[in-house]
Amino acid sequence: AQTVTQSQPEMSVQEAETVTLSCTYDTSESDYYLFWYKQPPSRQMILVIRQEAYKQQNATENRFSVNFQKAAKSFSLKISDSQLGDAAMYFCAYRGNNDMRFGAGTRLTVKP
Amino acid sequence: DSGVTQTPKHLITATGQRVTLRCSPRSGDLSVYWYQQSLDQGLQFLIQYYNGEERAKGNILERFSAQQFPDLHSELNLSSLELGDSALYFCASSVGVFSGLHEQFFGPGTRLTVL
Repeated sequence: AQTVTQSQPEMSVQEAETVTLSCTYDTSESDYYLFWYKQPPSRQMILVIRQEAYKQQNATENRFSVNFQKAAKSFSLKISDSQLGDAAMYFCAYRGNNDMRFGAGTRLTVKP
Repeated sequence: DSGVTQTPKHLITATGQRVTLRCSPRSGDLSVYWYQQSLDQGLQFLIQYYNGEERAKGNILERFSAQQFPDLHSELNLSSLELGDSALYFCASSVGVFSGLHEQFFGPGTRLTVL
């Protein structure tokens, strides 16, 4: 079964600094998708960024970028120029052929 | 606002009871997904429907069932409720059958409390 592991339950970053959230996954599939979702205190799930496994180029969305290492099954999220509004739970997720799995989440605190 | 609606927002019930959660997908979306999020945990994928047919199944208990109706809204039925079923239940929708390609849009969730 596919598993998604987020080894950092909590992370903290100073406003305007950069932070990287880690995610590793286990799969035997060759075709899949990876996601980072943000969940603020409102509990709304918001898609931050998406990566197709067949694409070698790392996805970027404004201040958010990923470091996708397919061989290592690693998918980290980098947030640049952190803002107070980035404070939230961040979930890494894997979508395979018939399944979708989420990691346990990383709680990000942004210090002013 | 994602365009996905879920009712009710909150539900409080007793052990052994049965409840129904409702989800209306975004206009034009054919897929509906159900997830369970227990306190301070990640989401557990329960089940996916595409255009009325079950498409994928995750960790859904036998006490739980779902269906998608011809108007594409979906209902999640939870029966013989236990304390451990207390959670936030999310519905999400997407255009296509394979949500990797198409973004999933999440509803605001239904908070279920079992006393």
